[in-house]
Order: sequence, then C-alpha cells, then structure tokens
Amino acid sequence: DTGVSQNPRHKITKRGQNVTFRCDPISEHNRLYWYRQTLGQGPEFLTYFQNEAQLEKSRLLSDRFSAERPKGSFSTLEIQRTEQGDSAMYLCASSSGGRVTDTQYFGPGTRLTVL
Amino acid sequence: DQQVKQNSPSLSVQEGRISILNCDYTNSMFDYFLWYKKYPAEGPTFLISISSIKDKNEDGRFTVFLNKSAKHLSLHIVPSQPGDSAVYFCAAATNAGGTSYGKLTFGQGTILTVHP
Repeated sequence: DTGVSQNPRHKITKRGQNVTFRCDPISEHNRLYWYRQTLGQGPEFLTYFQNEAQLEKSRLLSDRFSAERPKGSFSTLEIQRTEQGDSAMYLCASSSGGRVTDTQYFGPGTRLTVL
Repeated sequence: DQQVKQNSPSLSVQEGRISILNCDYTNSMFDYFLWYKKYPAEGPTFLISISSIKDKNEDGRFTVFLNKSAKHLSLHIVPSQPGDSAVYFCAAATNAGGTSYGKLTFGQGTILTVHP
C-alpha cells in the first residue's frame, strides 16, 4: 500500500492555458474522489468515480472542468482556459467502497497557481 | 451555504491539557461525522468518526461527542501533545444511499497548536 499519489505537486500556469492533473489511487480501491481546497476553507467535493463511471459532479465543476478514469485505475482532472479563480489545492482521495464508513484516503494534492 | 461550520479558526493549548475542537452542522440529512487531521504539505488523514446512532466514540486519546439536537459535535484530545499540532477538519456525510453515498462535506478547519 503506497498511498494515493498525485502529480504534479505544483503547477503554475498563465490564465487561459489548459492544465491536467493525475491521481493514482490505492491499488484496488474502486472509489475515487476529487476535491478542491481554497485558502482558509476545507476541501469541497468536485466529483467521484465508481470504477470508471463518473457518478456525480458538483455544481462547482463548470464546463471547463473534465475528469476521467478510463480504466478504473488512475484518474485525470483537466481544466481548460484556466482562470485566476481556479487557483487552489486539488485533492484526490480513494476508498475501497462507497459506504460512508469506508475511509477516504487523501493524496498530498496538486497546488495550482493561475497567473 | 456552509453546511458544516468550524467557528474557531485556531486553538492554542499547553502540552498535557485537553484540546476541544467544535463543529456545527445545519443539514439534518447528515448522519455520519468524521474528523480529519492535516499536516502541511500532506493530504488530510482520517482520525475518528461517529454515527448518528451514537453520542460518543473513543479511540485512545481522541473522543468525539455528538449532540444531534444541537447539531453539534466536538473532538476532545486528552492529553494534548506537540505532535497533535495540525489543522483539524470536521466532515459530514449522509448514509441515505443514492449517488451522494460517501461524499464528504467539510468544515473550514481549525488550526491546533500544542505548546511544549
């Protein structure tokens, strides 16, 4: 069990550019979550996957955001035409199941700065 | 709307004393509550949880209390240690099934500093 990994750890980009983040969950975890955390706030739910199926998306996830989990393993989160308001820490978490009692294990996050 | 609130941004405690972190929620559908701890440059890590059918859950130095009528929960750390210094997040979820299963709603966090 190597834990949840996220790459890159930091990303600085200019407004209008596209960025993509990757999350590798704990092996055999079928649930994968994306959260966003801004300064002084707790993580906010963005979306989650059950295997390769994306089951729910938050209203925070505008049309510029897209997430995939093509083979039910790693996931990518892409932001198109980045805006300064997208600057945040993007956290990924995985769990072995979908029950609330199934612990979500978080990765270290990708910090995005949009200039 | 902030459905889970931690109204104290920070708390400072002396080593060996009790730390009490508080959390309030507004959504009556929440029936499972968790505390996560976060160190700098790391993701949040699960600490302790409680179901709405209980009013107390204990794990070593950590105890979570739930007051459903007041929609309030608290985390007690006794005795506090310098290594407990971190940001603590309260989170809530609904066990009602459907596609929201497992989704966590977090509070803003409380920075705990334990002084030696």
